[in-house]
Amino acid sequence: EDQVTQSPEALRLQEGESSSLNCSYTVSGLRGLFWYRQDPGKGPEFLFTLYSAGEEKEKERLKATLTKKESFLHITAPKPEDSATYLCAVGGRAGSYQLTFGKGTKLSVIP
Amino acid sequence: EAQVTQNPRYLITVTGKKLTVTCSQNMNHEYMSWYRQDPGLGLRQIYYSMNVEVTDKGDVPEGYKVSRKEKRNFPLILESPSPNQTSLYFCASSRGPNQPQHFGDGTRLSIL
Repeated sequence: EDQVTQSPEALRLQEGESSSLNCSYTVSGLRGLFWYRQDPGKGPEFLFTLYSAGEEKEKERLKATLTKKESFLHITAPKPEDSATYLCAVGGRAGSYQLTFGKGTKLSVIP
Repeated sequence: EAQVTQNPRYLITVTGKKLTVTCSQNMNHEYMSWYRQDPGLGLRQIYYSMNVEVTDKGDVPEGYKVSRKEKRNFPLILESPSPNQTSLYFCASSRGPNQPQHFGDGTRLSIL
């Protein structure tokens, strides 16, 4: 069974204070690892897809990295508008096209 | 505009009264999926569909049915809803299972 664990559950940062969110996963063959952002009352919004260990992707203040066991979402000099819940999901399990999500990290960036 | 549309957005109903939540996408996507989101449990996949007439169970399929008669539509059916199905539901679509998903705005169901 695929498993995804995100940490921390919640994170409060001062504006400009860089940090990282963690997504640890266990799958029997990774088809892809996905990062989403979810604002209150809305559906998740896609950020990044990573397919193989060593891969990195960047978008504005966000950078996602992938190893064989975990992924990190690095947030550089965050702004209050980066406040949201960040979700990690994996597609794995050979023979199935199911997606498994972690419980998310709620990020609050204080001005 | 590319979008996934769910209806209704909010519904309060009673135990045992059959209901359907519709989902439609205009992006010609092959893969569609239903999730429920509960506090402390995160997003859990209910059912997914690889293409027309092809559906499969996710992590929490009990009490739900789906159908994929057309590529663009993927309704979620609760034949006999129960209070433990009170939740926030999301429909999503993508070009394939390994591709980014586009999510609808959600349907908040309350079963009394």
